[in-house]
Amino acid sequence: ETGVTQTPRHLVMGMTNKKSLKCEQHLGHNAMYWYKQSAKKPLELMFVYSLEERVENNSVPSRFSPECPNSSHLFLHLHTLQPEDSALYLCASSQDLGGGETQYFGPGTRLLVL
Amino acid sequence: AQKITQTQPGMFVQEKEAVTLDCTYDTSDQSYGLFWYKQPSSGEMIFLIYQGSYDEQNATEGRYSLNFQKARKSANLVISASQLGDSAMYFCAMREGGGNTGFQKLVFGTGTRLLVSP
Repeated sequence: ETGVTQTPRHLVMGMTNKKSLKCEQHLGHNAMYWYKQSAKKPLELMFVYSLEERVENNSVPSRFSPECPNSSHLFLHLHTLQPEDSALYLCASSQDLGGGETQYFGPGTRLLVL
Repeated sequence: AQKITQTQPGMFVQEKEAVTLDCTYDTSDQSYGLFWYKQPSSGEMIFLIYQGSYDEQNATEGRYSLNFQKARKSANLVISASQLGDSAMYFCAMREGGGNTGFQKLVFGTGTRLLVSP
């Protein structure tokens, strides 16, 4: 059983489309994260939420818009993306933001922008 | 400068043998944490093991152990008795800082692809 789920698992979209990625954690955690994993690059932190408040926006373009309606759900709204945005988008959660907390990841959404 | 360095893009090991995946890190923090994650082809990042900077003993979790050498700033992952299912990408990561927000920022290396052969 996976503690962090993500939907959809695969997504193909055109540059003019609007789509949303969904993440849900069943671990009772208070912090949630969005990461981007591009080919041959280290994971890049995009956004961090703690208790539904955004605490970090890591210089991410405005075509990515996060939403955290409650501590169990995290969305990433996508609009007018570019082909270079094609990547694996990973969601993670941790108990809190504090030191020593392990982040648990979902299976990711593989996004292809045409 | 890279904070986490994994110098082995790929490693091969025969089933049932042990393998060491290298990781060196760079930080000026006194308090930090080191993590290893496994990423199979399905994409999910699976947490394997954690070592805190103040932990005196090397962390172990089943067949995984972390060879922590603080002075050398290395945190190598040792997998004993490799299994075919261990074939995957392995990422070393470091949690550092806290700043004003207090959150742990995880910085990842570029990964090592491990292939276990029968």
